[in-house]
Amino acid sequence: DTAVSQTPKYLVTQMGNDKSIKCEQNLGHDTMYWYKQDSKKFLKIMFSYNNKELIINETVPNRFSPKSPDKAHLNLHINSLELGDSAVYFCASSPLSRGEQFFGPGTRLTVL
Amino acid sequence: AQSVTQLDSHVSVSEGTPVLLRCNYSSSYSPSLFWYVQHPNKGLQLLLKYTSAATLVKGINGFEAEFKKSETSFHLTKPSAHMSDAAEYFCVVSDRGGSYIPTFGRGTSLIVHP
Repeated sequence: DTAVSQTPKYLVTQMGNDKSIKCEQNLGHDTMYWYKQDSKKFLKIMFSYNNKELIINETVPNRFSPKSPDKAHLNLHINSLELGDSAVYFCASSPLSRGEQFFGPGTRLTVL
Repeated sequence: AQSVTQLDSHVSVSEGTPVLLRCNYSSSYSPSLFWYVQHPNKGLQLLLKYTSAATLVKGINGFEAEFKKSETSFHLTKPSAHMSDAAEYFCVVSDRGGSYIPTFGRGTSLIVHP
């Protein structure tokens, strides 16, 4: 049983397009996250979200927006894709805002 | 503000020899500390965590870490490396000063030679 799943696994698209990455967790966790991992493996937190609060990393361009239809899902929508958006994006969830995180398998985004 | 420094970007060991991955943190509060492992083309997996209980923490796959407040360190060790340990390792800190938003180190790549 997959705890945190992401779709798609690979996403190749053109500059200027709008795309979404979906994330679902079946662990009953309250907090979910989106991370960007660059080619040097550096992980940057983009968003932290629970039922009550969205915390946005101020360095994230407003072309990126999280959307949560319900507690088990946190999707990432990206407008006007740029070459620099190419990276691996990871979704994660946590039972508490201070607890360990469970990561999805990642989505490799390539912008041409 | 919380921060974490992984002192080595790469560590190379021979199979069967000990592993030491170093991590120093900065926190004005009682921190929670974690080590995660990422195998190639995979997501991250929790190895172990420290949350103000025992200072010596045992994790999966034979790894352990010791919380040393006086040295602000949380180094990861394993007595004997296995080929399957080759991966990227991340040290993570979170505390209430940072609203418990986790801060990741830049990662240490562990290379295991036969």
